[in-house]
Amino acid sequence: AQKVTQAQTEISVVEKEDVTLDCVYETRDTTYYLFWYKQPPSGELVFLIRRNSFDEQNEISGRYSWNFQKSTSSFNFTITASQVVDSAVYFCALRGVNDMRFGAGTRLTVKP
Amino acid sequence: KAGVTQTPRYLIKTRGQQVTLSCSPISGHRSVSWYQQTPGQGLQFLFEYFSETQRNKGNFPGRFSGRQFSNSRSEMNVSTLELGDSALYLCASSLDRGAGTGELFFGEGSRLTVL
Repeated sequence: AQKVTQAQTEISVVEKEDVTLDCVYETRDTTYYLFWYKQPPSGELVFLIRRNSFDEQNEISGRYSWNFQKSTSSFNFTITASQVVDSAVYFCALRGVNDMRFGAGTRLTVKP
Repeated sequence: KAGVTQTPRYLIKTRGQQVTLSCSPISGHRSVSWYQQTPGQGLQFLFEYFSETQRNKGNFPGRFSGRQFSNSRSEMNVSTLELGDSALYLCASSLDRGAGTGELFFGEGSRLTVL
């Protein structure tokens, strides 16, 4: 069975600090997709990034960056120079052949 | 471009009743999936549909069912409600071509309370 583990339940940082959200996954599928979604206080989940299992290239998008390491089954997410608007619950997700699994989420609070 | 619309947004039911939730995907999206979100279990996959066919189903009892119509709109039904069914039910649509690997666009959810 597939599994996504986000070990950090809650993280609190002060604005402008860098923060990394960890995601570790388990799957037997050779082809799979990894995602990060953001759920702000308003409640609607917002897509951030998608990675397929054959593309280990790291990605940077503004203050956001993602580190995909197949060797350690990890897909970590870093926010550089965090802002109050980054406060949300962040979910890592794994899409395999027949299943979509979400991690438990990490609640990030960025204090001014 | 209108987003994913879910109705009703809030509803209260009693144990034993049944409920039907509706989801209208983004125009042009043929894939719709449903999720249950609770504080204890987090986000759990219920089922997904593509072109009116159920493509995958999560590990939920048969009381949970769904369908998709020719216009891609989808409904999910929960029969014989239990207290544990109280949750936020999220619908998501995707532009993917059937593999289920596209990015998901979520609705605001239907919050169900079972008394």
